[in-house]
Amino acid sequence: GENVEQHPSTLSVQEGDSAVIKCTYSDSASNYFPWYKQELGKGPQLIIDIRSNVGEKKDQRIAVTLNKTAKHFSLHITETQPEDSAVYFCAARNFGNEKLTFGTGTRLTIIP
Amino acid sequence: DGGITQSPKYLFRKEGQNVTLSCEQNLNHDAMYWYRQDPGQGLRLIYYSQIVNDFQKGDIAEGYSVSREKKESFPLTVTSAQKNPTAFYLCASMPSSYNEQFFGPGTRLTVL
Repeated sequence: GENVEQHPSTLSVQEGDSAVIKCTYSDSASNYFPWYKQELGKGPQLIIDIRSNVGEKKDQRIAVTLNKTAKHFSLHITETQPEDSAVYFCAARNFGNEKLTFGTGTRLTIIP
Repeated sequence: DGGITQSPKYLFRKEGQNVTLSCEQNLNHDAMYWYRQDPGQGLRLIYYSQIVNDFQKGDIAEGYSVSREKKESFPLTVTSAQKNPTAFYLCASMPSSYNEQFFGPGTRLTVL
């Protein structure tokens, strides 16, 4: 089955700087890669996703890049703000498979 | 958290007792999921259901049971056979077009 590894497990960034979280996946057939943000005591919320026919996707301060050859994808947050502090999860899924496989999460702390 | 409700938010159970966690969605989504979240382990899939009256085991189904009698509802029962049930439980749903999974707010179960 699919295996997703996520690094780092914790990340502290000065407010205004950029943050990068990286994930690798094992199943070359995976073609959908979402990123979720989870605030304390709440359920995860989708913040951005990318499909395998695209190499990069951007939404304001958030971007995701995908390298299919190396089987890794990354989340980039620019101009970080205190409200970006949360736990971020990457995930992967093979089209036609209803199951998402999640990474172990990254706790991002923005230092004012 | 979209149109997914989970109740209760906090649940306490004595060892040896079964307990049922509620999950209801008004999004008209076909698929529903139950995940377990433990610190440092990300989200692990317990059970999922694509249609009414049908469900499949996920990666950690032992000690859990589900039913899907209505499209809107997917209750999870944590049985006494689950050796370490203390965790944060998340319910999610997804439309049939393989788009994003929407998560509920979660239920924190503590076994006393």
